[in-house]
Amino acid sequence: GQSLEQPSEVTAVEGAIVQINCTYQTSGFYGLSWYQQHDGGAPTFLSYNALDGLEETGRFSSFLSRSDSYGYLLLQELQMKDSASYFCAVRVYGQNFVFGPGTRLSVLP
Amino acid sequence: ETGVTQTPRHLVMGMTNKKSLKCEQHLGHNAMYWYKQSAKKPLELMFVYNFKEQTENNSVPSRFSPECPNSSHLFLHLHTLQPEDSALYLCASSQGLAGETQYFGPGTRLTVL
Repeated sequence: GQSLEQPSEVTAVEGAIVQINCTYQTSGFYGLSWYQQHDGGAPTFLSYNALDGLEETGRFSSFLSRSDSYGYLLLQELQMKDSASYFCAVRVYGQNFVFGPGTRLSVLP
Repeated sequence: ETGVTQTPRHLVMGMTNKKSLKCEQHLGHNAMYWYKQSAKKPLELMFVYNFKEQTENNSVPSRFSPECPNSSHLFLHLHTLQPEDSALYLCASSQGLAGETQYFGPGTRLTVL
């Protein structure tokens, strides 16, 4: 079957850089997505990697390496409002999205 | 800010009750999804509809019954639920099944007593 693994919790301070890793065991997939979810809120789309390499969107960047079955989300210049849960997800061939368990990021002042 | 709305936002029901969750998307998308989010567990895909046709049922118990009357509306009918069904139920939509981005609604927090 398909599975994704993420660290359960990450803590960092304002202004720092943090990397949230996602490793996966899955058959072919279209791409790797990242979603952010604040407590009590809906998941919101952050980024998508269809190809290997780095995608940059403002303070957030995402990376994919299919050969290593690995991706990560990089958050720079952390702000308090970045405290949330972050989910990686893959869109598997012939199926729909499979989500990782989520990483809870706490940003400290 | 979201183009996907869900009602009710909170629901408490007994195991013998029948209730329905409603989802509406205002984004012109063709695909709609139901997810279950339980504490400490990944998002679980339940059902997928594309152009009103169900394309996926992820081994969901029959006490959950989806309905998609058109591409903008999605329902989840609930009956004889169990306490372990208590969770956040999220609706999402995307531009076709190949859409790389899903847009989520705020969810319905369901408690089964």
